Amino acid sequence: KQEVTQIPAALSVPEGENLVLNCSFTDSAIYNLQWFRQDPGKGLTSLLLIQSSQREQTSGRLNASLDKSSGRSTLYIAASQPGDSATYLCAVRVQTGANNLFFGTGTRLTVIP
Amino acid sequence: GAVVSQHPSRVICKSGTSVKIECRSLDFQATTMFWYRQFPKQSLMLMATSNEGSKATYEQGVEKDKFLINHASLTLSTLTVTSAHPEDSSFYICSAIGGLAETQYFGPGTRLLVL
Repeated sequence: KQEVTQIPAALSVPEGENLVLNCSFTDSAIYNLQWFRQDPGKGLTSLLLIQSSQREQTSGRLNASLDKSSGRSTLYIAASQPGDSATYLCAVRVQTGANNLFFGTGTRLTVIP
Repeated sequence: GAVVSQHPSRVICKSGTSVKIECRSLDFQATTMFWYRQFPKQSLMLMATSNEGSKATYEQGVEKDKFLINHASLTLSTLTVTSAHPEDSSFYICSAIGGLAETQYFGPGTRLLVL
């Protein structure tokens, strides 16, 4: 069974710093990987989706990379802002159109003004 | 972009009552919808997968008679928590797959508190 791990569980950084969140998964046979943001008591907002054939995706200050063979993905946040404070979840899908979306436990990010 | 809505956003009920939560895909057709449960400071746990016009597929350990799922159309799925108990208090999130990239979109969640 696919297991998804996120390290660290929590991270505090001063405003303006660049940071990297890590996600690892045990089975490299994935269909795609998605990064989400969750604010306290709220649902999930999709940030970036990387297909298994891709190496990275970028959106604004966010850049996500995927190394499928080593079972790793990173989310890079440039010039962090207090509004970036949230829990970031990565999730991998193991086959197309199926319910096999496995979530990590998340990294809770706090950006200190 | 694609939007998934949930109603209600919050519900408080007495133990033993039933609660229905609606999940709608607002601007796309979703042949598959998912229901997740999230306890405080934990990640999302898949409860069941709902396909339009067919019975839902439940994950191991989820009671299908307690959590009734109906996916009557390509834009609506409902989750009914029957005879709710305090231990059912949780954050319930629905999700739907749509679009060419098969991105999974999530609803804003429903917080259930059973007294």
